[in-house]
Amino acid sequence: DTGVSQNPRHKITKRGQNVTFRCDPISEHNRLYWYRQTLGQGPEFLTYFQNEAQLEKSRLLSDRFSAERPKGSFSTLEIQRTEQGDSAMYLCASSPWDRPNYGYTFGSGTRLTVV
Amino acid sequence: DAKTTQPPSMDCAEGRAANLPCNHSTISGNEYVYWYRQIHSQGPQYIIHGLKNNETNEMASLIITEDRKSSTLILPHATLRDTAVYYCIGMAYGNKLVFGAGTILRVKS
Repeated sequence: DTGVSQNPRHKITKRGQNVTFRCDPISEHNRLYWYRQTLGQGPEFLTYFQNEAQLEKSRLLSDRFSAERPKGSFSTLEIQRTEQGDSAMYLCASSPWDRPNYGYTFGSGTRLTVV
Repeated sequence: DAKTTQPPSMDCAEGRAANLPCNHSTISGNEYVYWYRQIHSQGPQYIIHGLKNNETNEMASLIITEDRKSSTLILPHATLRDTAVYYCIGMAYGNKLVFGAGTILRVKS
């Protein structure tokens, strides 16, 4: 069990560019979540998958954001035409939905800075 | 999911017990109380959760009042490494975690 892995750890991009982040969950976890966190705030839910199905998307997830989990394993979060307001920490978590005692396991996040 | 209320910050002396309160007066019967913490620049870390009964694990103890309207997370012997933001979350099984602002716990030597 190597935990939840997120890449890259840091990303600096120019406004208007597209960025993609990757999350590798714990292998036996079939639920995967994306959150966004800005300075001084708690994480905000963006979307989650059960296996390859995207089951819920927050209203925070504008049409510039898209997430995929094509084979029910790793997931990608893409932001198109980045804006300065997209600067945040993007967190991924995974959980086994049928074992609530396990809680969520979070990765260390990808810190995005849009300049 | 239940709305929770936590104090914005607390201080604790190193080696003493840290008692972090949480009010969740609107919690439903099927909602668990979860506690997570987040150390600076890291992702949140699961600590403990409970439904009705008090719970204890290697990290902490969770005391839930009989009416389930409030709970207390206890770190029995706080260390400097316990300095973090602590989140109390009411969540039904199978739902998603919804984080509030949490409590900043500062452990001081």
